[in-house]
Amino acid sequence: GAVVSQHPSRVICKSGTSVKIECRSLDFQATTMFWYRQFPKQSLMLMATSNEGSKATYEQGVEKDKFLINHASLTLSTLTVTSAHPEDSSFYICSARASFDYEQYFGPGTRLTVT
Amino acid sequence: GQNIDQPTEMTATEGAIVQINCTYQTSGFNGLFWYQQHAGEAPTFLSYNVLDGLEEKGRFSSFLSRSKGYSYLLLKELQMKDSASYLCAVRDSNYQLIWGAGTKLIIKP
Repeated sequence: GAVVSQHPSRVICKSGTSVKIECRSLDFQATTMFWYRQFPKQSLMLMATSNEGSKATYEQGVEKDKFLINHASLTLSTLTVTSAHPEDSSFYICSARASFDYEQYFGPGTRLTVT
Repeated sequence: GQNIDQPTEMTATEGAIVQINCTYQTSGFNGLFWYQQHAGEAPTFLSYNVLDGLEEKGRFSSFLSRSKGYSYLLLKELQMKDSASYLCAVRDSNYQLIWGAGTKLIIKP
């Protein structure tokens, strides 16, 4: 149990375009979802935390107008990278946590390349 | 500030035992996690400690001392597939996960 999926797994887009990444909890209701970014050979960096039905809480230094997060249901959260730039190229990982559990379950990640 | 320290890289031999240490200073403590991450993949959960002591799970064990702000992950009977990064993370008083930079473990035959 406790499976989290992400789509797409890889995406290449042109500079200036927007990209949407979906994160789904497949077999549980995720009251909280987290979005992370990871650059090569670096640790996970938390971008934002979202609770279903409310606005996301962004970490310091993360532009909320650039990284739009929507947690519209208990099984789906989306991250939209708007007006993407090459420096946004990174590995984006979501995780989900159920209200009854202490553990965060990670999705497989999305590798974004902006050309 | 909040800080988690773990060695950047360690090397061990196949079949041996390795201990990866993690020290932390956080605002509050609500559990410590160890995750394994292979290159290009998302982290996978290994262990969770919230009380002092040793938690054993097959070849992997994790130890916690809250008074010392210290944990270690012990890997026995190392296999080549154990080559990965091992991430220590502490959940603080706000239930946020604070992540260490990870320890890259290299296993040699």
